[in-house]
Amino acid sequence: AQTVTQSQPEMSVQEAETVTLSCTYDTSESDYYLFWYKQPPSRQMILVIRQEAYKQQNATENRFSVNFQKAAKSFSLKISDSQLGDAAMYFCAYRRRDNYGQNFVFGPGTRLSVLP
Amino acid sequence: NAGVTQTPKFQVLKTGQSMTLQCAQDMNHEYMSWYRQDPGMGLRLIHYSVGAGITDQGEVPNGYNVSRSTTEDFPLRLLSAAPSQTSVYFCASSYGGGAIRGPQHFGDGTRLSIL
Repeated sequence: AQTVTQSQPEMSVQEAETVTLSCTYDTSESDYYLFWYKQPPSRQMILVIRQEAYKQQNATENRFSVNFQKAAKSFSLKISDSQLGDAAMYFCAYRRRDNYGQNFVFGPGTRLSVLP
Repeated sequence: NAGVTQTPKFQVLKTGQSMTLQCAQDMNHEYMSWYRQDPGMGLRLIHYSVGAGITDQGEVPNGYNVSRSTTEDFPLRLLSAAPSQTSVYFCASSYGGGAIRGPQHFGDGTRLSIL
């Protein structure tokens, strides 16, 4: 079964600095999606960024970017110019194929604190 | 746009009681799913559906039932609540149809406590 690992349960960053959250996954498939979701204290799940496995170019959304290393099965999230509003739980997720065509697997999450 | 609507937002039950968590989406998504979120464990899939009339078990299905009579609705039923089912529950939906497309859209979650 596919698994998603986030090895950093907690991280902290100074406001305006850069932080990188790690994610690794295990799969034998070549066609899949990867996502980072943000969960602030409001409990909402907010999509931050997505990456299609067949695209070699790393996805970027404003201050958020990923480092996608397909061979290494690594998908890290970089947050530049960190802001207080970035403080949240961050979940890495993998969308895979199964008998019905798709399913999602989430990592355990990394809690990010932003220090003023 | 309403997106994914979950009700209720909070619920307290006694052990042995039954209840239904409601989930509705207005995006015509084929794929819908229920997760539970527990500290340190991320989101674990309970049940999912790839279309009306089709459901399947996820990682932690025991104690829960689902049905999908329409594209829009995907209720989750707790048959006989147990303290181990105390958790935050999320409903989500996305495009499906056998092609991997796009992210899931989540409801706001239900915090459920079983006494």
